Amino acid sequence: GNSVTQMEGPVTLSEEAFLTINCTYTATGYPSLFWYVQYPGEGLQLLLKATKADDKGSNKGFEATYRKETTSFHLEKGSVQVSDSAVYFCALIQGAQKLVFGQGTRLTINP
Amino acid sequence: ETGVTQSPTHLIKTRGQQVTLRCSSQSGHNTVSWYQQALGQGPQFIFQYYREEENGRGNFPPRFSGLQFPNYSSELNVNALELDDSALYLCASSLGAGLAGGRGETQYFGPGTRLLVL
Repeated sequence: GNSVTQMEGPVTLSEEAFLTINCTYTATGYPSLFWYVQYPGEGLQLLLKATKADDKGSNKGFEATYRKETTSFHLEKGSVQVSDSAVYFCALIQGAQKLVFGQGTRLTINP
Repeated sequence: ETGVTQSPTHLIKTRGQQVTLRCSSQSGHNTVSWYQQALGQGPQFIFQYYREEENGRGNFPPRFSGLQFPNYSSELNVNALELDDSALYLCASSLGAGLAGGRGETQYFGPGTRLLVL
């Protein structure tokens, strides 16, 4: 079945550092890919998405490119802020039914 | 445009009891999905409702059941609560479960209901 594997955390960086959180997936066909973010005590917020190969999703300085050849959707940000501290989830969907999530990566940014 | 709302925000129950959680979908959305998120884990799909019918179910026992109403709001019911049911329950709404070949419709999440079973 479909699955998502994320880089294990926690990840701790200093403010203004470069961020990469790795995400790879297993799926038949062409899933859509997502990054969601969860701040402490809150639900999930959609961060960005990509629906086909070579698409780049971007939002709030975060970017991820749908790489079908490597089945990856790594999340990047050039300069992180303290306010980016949260848990980040990579997910895929095929059809309009269920999202399949990775285990999440906890990110802490120190000032 | 209102977002997805859930109630209650927190709930404490004892083992064996029953619980009902509620979700109002985002304006214009006709599909509601429910997820369970255990502490430190990613969300797991429970089921989805489209136009008042169940439209797919994850690996959860029958004591997890749901409803969707004509206004597309939804309820999640859990009977015979167990300690392992303690989790954050997330509702997500989307548009297009019924679209032909419905591909990758984005799901928007509510803030969740945190359930503690003692």
